[in-house]
Amino acid sequence: DAGVIQSPRHEVTEMGQEVTLRCKPISGHDYLFWYRQTMMRGLELLIYFNNNVPIDDSGMPEDRFSAKMPNASFSTLKIQPSEPRDSAVYFCASSFDGTPTYEQYFGPGTRLTVT
Amino acid sequence: QQPVQSPQAVILREGEDAVINCSSSKALYSVHWYRQKHGEAPVFLMILLKGGEQKGHEKISASFNEKKQQSSLYLTASQLSYSGTYFCGTGGAGGTSYGKLTFGQGTILTVHP
Repeated sequence: DAGVIQSPRHEVTEMGQEVTLRCKPISGHDYLFWYRQTMMRGLELLIYFNNNVPIDDSGMPEDRFSAKMPNASFSTLKIQPSEPRDSAVYFCASSFDGTPTYEQYFGPGTRLTVT
Repeated sequence: QQPVQSPQAVILREGEDAVINCSSSKALYSVHWYRQKHGEAPVFLMILLKGGEQKGHEKISASFNEKKQQSSLYLTASQLSYSGTYFCGTGGAGGTSYGKLTFGQGTILTVHP
C-alpha cells in the first residue's frame, strides 16, 4: 500500500486566505485523524472520524477550522481565513479498528506557512 | 490534560540504555508510544493497555503502572537508528476513543557512535 497520502506537502499563503489540506487514508482503514504540530504546543489532535463520521472535534481550535470526510478515501481540513498562528505541520493519520495494536499510520505531513 | 515526559532530552553512546517516562494526572487506559525522526512523521512503537497487555512490533519494551498513572519506555543497547523524538500518547477508555490521543511534549534521544 502507498501509505497515507497528504497534499500539498508545503503550502505558503497570506493571512486571510483560505487553505485546504487533503488526505487519503490507507485503503480499508476506518479511522482518520488530523493533528497539528508546533514547537510551542507539540502534537495536538484536532479531529477524528470513524467510518467517515466525525467522532470528536474538541481539538479544533476555532470556527475558522473545519474538516470533512465525504467518503472513505478522502478527507479535507480547511482553514478560512488563515492567520500566521496557524503556521504548523499538519498530519493526517489513519488506523484500522480490527488490529490489536491500534496503530496509527501517519502521512508525511503538510507544512503550512501563513505570512 | 497533556501527559508529562521525562527527561526532555538524553544523549547516549551506542550500546547504552535509556528510560523515558510518561506521567499522567488522569487515569490511564492506554499508553501509545511513537518515535519521530527529524522532518518525518511519527511512527508507532507500541501500545500498553490497562490490564497489562503490551503490543508492539519492535525490540523495545515498556511498562505501565496503573496505580502511579505512569508508563516507561526502555531502550536497551541503543543503536544510531534509535535517535529521534519519542512521544507518549494517552488514549481514551475504549471503543471509538482508544485513538483519541493526547501526546506528551516529547523526549529527544540522541545516540552517538
